[in-house]
Amino acid sequence: QKEVEQDPGPLSVPEGAIVSLNCTYSNSAFQYFMWYRQYSRKGPELLMYTYSSGNKEDGRFTAQVDKSSKYISLFIRDSQPSDSATYLCAMTGANNLFFGTGTRLTVIP
Amino acid sequence: SQTIHQWPATLVQPVGSPLSLECTVEGTSNPNLYWYRQAAGRGLQLLFYSVGIGQISSEVPQNLSASRPQDRQFILSSKKLLLSDSGFYLCAWHSGVETQYFGPGTRLLVL
Repeated sequence: QKEVEQDPGPLSVPEGAIVSLNCTYSNSAFQYFMWYRQYSRKGPELLMYTYSSGNKEDGRFTAQVDKSSKYISLFIRDSQPSDSATYLCAMTGANNLFFGTGTRLTVIP
Repeated sequence: SQTIHQWPATLVQPVGSPLSLECTVEGTSNPNLYWYRQAAGRGLQLLFYSVGIGQISSEVPQNLSASRPQDRQFILSSKKLLLSDSGFYLCAWHSGVETQYFGPGTRLLVL
């Protein structure tokens, strides 16, 4: 079983839609949870990170962590074509990050 | 602010040729440094990490090696490239916070 599971998509939504991206994990020791955005042929860019369970909001983005279910989500409100990218979840354990494989999102104008 | 550089941006090399990819970080000291490879549909694979000069940990056995000759310099090398070495190579750093920041990447194509 992989440490982190993420639906690879692809996911296509119309502009203005609410997007929900999700990851599940198996290691209950994970404490920090991150979302990265990666545009084509670019390095991943840290979007948000949260510690332990709860919600964190930054503009149109909300990160949610449910440690009891080992489930994390990223919500994007009022999605824009510029949000089209691959979104990777990541979480820490033993000084290393464990990544999901990424979900490719396309927002259609 | 901290920045991370990688070069070259793109590289096309024949099988059996050597490789040297360089990563440098500015604006921080004593960072942890990482090399990842990203293959399509397979996510990020950690190759090496370093917690200090001359200290390298290898995560997967392969024909690649890494070195850290200076505090903010991390080099990925190979003596003889294989076709399977093709991919997108990313350098990352973190310093005291449980997140990592990535460089722009090097796209390597081995023919």
